[in-house]
Amino acid sequence: GAVVSQHPSWVICKSGTSVKIECRSLDFQATTMFWYRQFPKQSLMLMATSNEGSKATYEQGVEKDKFLINHASLTLSTLTVTSAHPEDSSFYICSARDLRTVTPGSYEQYFGPGTRLTVT
Amino acid sequence: DAKTTQPTSMDCAEGRAANLPCNHSTISGNEYVYWYRQIHSQGPQYIIHGLKNNETNEMASLIITEDRKSSTLILPHATLRDTAVYYCIVRFHTGGFKTIFGAGTRLFVKA
Repeated sequence: GAVVSQHPSWVICKSGTSVKIECRSLDFQATTMFWYRQFPKQSLMLMATSNEGSKATYEQGVEKDKFLINHASLTLSTLTVTSAHPEDSSFYICSARDLRTVTPGSYEQYFGPGTRLTVT
Repeated sequence: DAKTTQPTSMDCAEGRAANLPCNHSTISGNEYVYWYRQIHSQGPQYIIHGLKNNETNEMASLIITEDRKSSTLILPHATLRDTAVYYCIVRFHTGGFKTIFGAGTRLFVKA
């Protein structure tokens, strides 16, 4: 199956600093990538949808100036958490859609392994 | 995307079939039923999807009722590695690519 990677897998940063998380589709081209956040023992919450070459669409309540998303190529999207605070500590997961899957019902999302961010 | 309702948790003995139910009574005619699972501290993994016919793959079977208001994911021979949170999601396959995750069912497979 299609593979999506994330880097780093975990990161610890100090409050006030910025952290960049990369999401890469390794063996397919992803026109659309999604960023999720998951707090302990809770479900995934969609933060934003990013389409290659255009601005990301943010879900209600997600600060676009705080969570900067760039999707400059068909295989790479980045999420930058700016001026991170302890409440931003979470598990961040990206997913990507494979251009090749065009049959009905097969618009699959492939998920990355996640990045655990801890802000001290 | 239509809302789904799943039990919070379920237990299953190793080697037995695990049957995970999902209610999606507001599903529309063009929406598909998808199942994902998430093992602790990992990204979600696709399991199976279907529209109205029952589906089977190497991981599981999906049984969708005739009125499409509910479905059941069946893991035929559960193993300890199947312990995870299972998410049932209903969504259109075109246009909106968002997949909204609910709380899911936490499946515990016990030896």
